[in-house]
Amino acid sequence: KNQVEQSPQSLIILEGKNCTLQCNYTVSPFSNLRWYKQDTGRGPVSLTIMTFSENTKSNGRYTATLDADTKQSSLHITASQLSDSASYICVVSSINAGNNRKLIWGLGTSLAVNP
Amino acid sequence: ETGVTQTPRHLVMGMTNKKSLKCEQHLGHNAMYWYKQSAKKPLELMFVYSLEERVENNSVPSRFSPECPNSSHLFLHLHTLQPEDSALYLCASSQETSSYNEQFFGPGTRLTVL
Repeated sequence: KNQVEQSPQSLIILEGKNCTLQCNYTVSPFSNLRWYKQDTGRGPVSLTIMTFSENTKSNGRYTATLDADTKQSSLHITASQLSDSASYICVVSSINAGNNRKLIWGLGTSLAVNP
Repeated sequence: ETGVTQTPRHLVMGMTNKKSLKCEQHLGHNAMYWYKQSAKKPLELMFVYSLEERVENNSVPSRFSPECPNSSHLFLHLHTLQPEDSALYLCASSQETSSYNEQFFGPGTRLTVL
């Protein structure tokens, strides 16, 4: 069964600290993996997308990693800011035999950055 | 802003009411989506429109009726809803339905069914 599991479920850190969010998936066949940030009261916004051949990709203070062998991804946030408080959602795309694409969404990690 | 707007932002309705959610995208995309986001659940894809034609309907109850009059507008007509339909309804758009193409989301409509 295609699944995406994220950990931790929630996290509280102090402003300026780093943190790492995890995403494990059992999706096959794999097409790509995307991290979204969802602020309270807003829709998700894409942070980064990773394909099978990519190991690391950065977007400012956000760095995503992908290990396609172990089917794990992480999102590292450096020097956190209060505006980083949000839900971070991992989404994995799969393609079936009919070339139909399907997105499998994780539950998200709720991050709170405190001053 | 993402270029996708949704109205209303909040809606409270009784089970016998009929209401509509509206979504408009200003990005020139040709694919639009309706999602349902409930607490403790992942996003659920409800409907997909590509070039104004419905291409996916994920076993959504008939009390939800989508309409896509053109590539910039998407509606979700609601009637005789149940309390368990209370959720955040998100609209998104993308350039084609390829999973590699980023979906741009609106702010959502927070729906409460009494």
